[in-house]
Amino acid sequence: RKEVEQDPGPFNVPEGATVAFNCTYSNSASQSFFWYRQDCRKEPKLLMSVYSSGNEDGRFTAQLNRASQYISLLIRDSKLSDSATYLCVVNDPNAGKSTFGDGTTLTVKP
Amino acid sequence: EAGVTQSPTHLIKTRGQQATLRCSPISGHTSVYWYQQALGLGLQFLLWYDEGEERNRGNFPPRFSGRQFPNYSSELNVNALELEDSALYLCASRVGTANYGYTFGSGTRLTVV
Repeated sequence: RKEVEQDPGPFNVPEGATVAFNCTYSNSASQSFFWYRQDCRKEPKLLMSVYSSGNEDGRFTAQLNRASQYISLLIRDSKLSDSATYLCVVNDPNAGKSTFGDGTTLTVKP
Repeated sequence: EAGVTQSPTHLIKTRGQQATLRCSPISGHTSVYWYQQALGLGLQFLLWYDEGEERNRGNFPPRFSGRQFPNYSSELNVNALELEDSALYLCASRVGTANYGYTFGSGTRLTVV
């Protein structure tokens, strides 16, 4: 079983749709969580951190459930420019590294 | 502020050769992380350097090695290149603790022929 598992995707949605991505992690010692966005053949870029209380950044909302070891990302009012691969990332401070999920690809169509 | 810089952008090597990839972290960041991303696959953790020391390494053979210099820049060396080493190699840095996310460089695309 992978340490970080994401929805396989791909997600193909029309502009304006709401889409949700899910992610589960197996290491209960994980302490910080992130969503990254990666465009084709580019480096990943930090989208947002994820907190237990839930956090929102414009059209993006991230949520963490530590008990279920589950992370989510909600995108409202999808734009064409949201088309990318979204990576769920979990930090293990003991190992000093981040583990990345394999990513979920989103395509927003006109 | 300059971001994480990597060089070269592209590198083509022959099987059996050695490759050297370089990375400069964001000024003030002491930790450097290396990841491998093969085509169509996820990011795999390679190495973590902090304050000049190797702190952790991923599940890669010893022919993957590196170092961190006193100015916190880093080098990744891959010896005895194999075709399956062809990938995008990403370097990242971050402020101190694990509570912060990475900033990645734009990567070195290594092709082994």
